[in-house]
Amino acid sequence: RKEVEQDPGPFNVPEGATVAFNCTYSNSASQSFFWYRQDCRKEPKLLMSVYSSGNEDGRFTAQLNRASQYISLLIRDSKLSDSATYLCVVNRQDKIIFGKGTRLHILP
Amino acid sequence: DTGVSQNPRHKITKRGQNVTFRCDPISEHNRLYWYRQTLGQGPEFLTYFQNEAQLEKSRLLSDRFSAERPKGSFSTLEIQRTEQGDSAMYLCASSSLGGGGYGYTFGSGTRLTVV
Repeated sequence: RKEVEQDPGPFNVPEGATVAFNCTYSNSASQSFFWYRQDCRKEPKLLMSVYSSGNEDGRFTAQLNRASQYISLLIRDSKLSDSATYLCVVNRQDKIIFGKGTRLHILP
Repeated sequence: DTGVSQNPRHKITKRGQNVTFRCDPISEHNRLYWYRQTLGQGPEFLTYFQNEAQLEKSRLLSDRFSAERPKGSFSTLEIQRTEQGDSAMYLCASSSLGGGGYGYTFGSGTRLTVV
C-alpha cells in the first residue's frame, strides 16, 4: 500500500464549478501536510499547508482529519488556470512524501 | 541566487552510459533532496543531505546510483550503466533545517531519456 493515496482522476470540471479532492495517508507518524500543484512538465510548487482546524486561501480550502488520516482540498469557482495536477504531500522524518497526484482539467 | 538550479535540463543517453546531474540549492538552505518522477506518478524520494552528510537513501537508489554533496553546497547525482527504466525527471529540492516540511523549493528538474 502506498503511503499517500489519491484518486488520479482526471477530473473534468466546467469553469465556475466547485471541485473537491481527497487523499489518505497510512503513517500516523506523519507530522505535517500540504497540497502541491504541478503544471505539465514543470516542478511541483507549494499550494498550501493543511491544518486540523482547516485553512482557506482565496478560493482554496484545505482540511486535515488526523483521526481518519484524511486530507481534502476544495476549489471553489474554478478557473481555467486551475488546470493542473494536485499532489497530496505528507512530511515524515525530515522528508516529504508525495501522492500520485490528481489531474484536474477545467473545461471552458 | 533566487532558486534551485539544476543542470542539464534535458539529457538523452544510450543505455549503458553513465550520466551525472548537478543541483545548486538556495545558498542558505542546508538540506538538499533528490526525487525521481515518472509519467503519471508523484515524485519519489531518493536521498537527502544535511550539509555534506547523506542522511537517508531510499531502496529505490540502487548500487548504480550515487549522490554527493562534497562541500555542503551543490550536489551531484550519478547514474552508472543507465537502463531504460532510469528514464524519468530527476528533481532536486532544498530546505532549511527544521523546516518540518515547510519551505521546500524545487528546481526545474533534469529530464533523462535512456535510448
